[in-house]
Amino acid sequence: EAQVTQNPRYLITVTGKKLTVTCSQNMNHEYMSWYRQDPGLGLRQIYYSMNVEVTDKGDVPEGYKVSRKEKRNFPLILESPSPNQTSLYFCASSLYGDSEQFFGPGTRLTVL
Amino acid sequence: AQKITQTQPGMFVQEKEAVTLDCTYDTSDPSYGLFWYKQPSSGEMIFLIYQGSYDQQNATEGRYSLNFQKARKSANLVISASQLGDSAMYFCAMREGDQYSGGGADGLTFGKGTHLIIQP
Repeated sequence: EAQVTQNPRYLITVTGKKLTVTCSQNMNHEYMSWYRQDPGLGLRQIYYSMNVEVTDKGDVPEGYKVSRKEKRNFPLILESPSPNQTSLYFCASSLYGDSEQFFGPGTRLTVL
Repeated sequence: AQKITQTQPGMFVQEKEAVTLDCTYDTSDPSYGLFWYKQPSSGEMIFLIYQGSYDQQNATEGRYSLNFQKARKSANLVISASQLGDSAMYFCAMREGDQYSGGGADGLTFGKGTHLIIQP
């Protein structure tokens, strides 16, 4: 089944404790993105990647890092999480930049 | 200026009625695409419909259609014969550029969403 998977689905952590949210797609897509969703703000892009080893900042990249060492994986790294990073996070992938984006199930992160 | 504007934070609609969800966009790129996604209370993002800027006809997918008015820069979603299961958040989104113009790689810009509630 073609899908985008994210892990963990739910995470509660404390300020300053490094964490990684994994994202993997099995559709051989070139493009992958991370978004965060906050009430009243819709989805905002954090980082995106056009191919292996090619990443760029989205609209809200502060406090986040990403890497794209393999085509299928695009982990989101929070080196020192803070409470304002409490949010619902979505990973998405698409075959090309202008084609439909397939979303993962979301990761609900709470930083205390 | 916001690139995607959804002016209806919430809507209540009677079951079986048609629903129009508004979306206006702002871009100077001649090539762009417009998407609608549904997000039920379970949280997943479900793709509904897509309209390309060069498409001559309005997109349709089952009960969903897109009322695309290019000159007015609007891309309203129309749901015909609404059902209780249509209750959800609905997001309009845009990508600018395409693979031929070298754009489109930086994902989608989303509106803030419309919370639709279908009443029996």
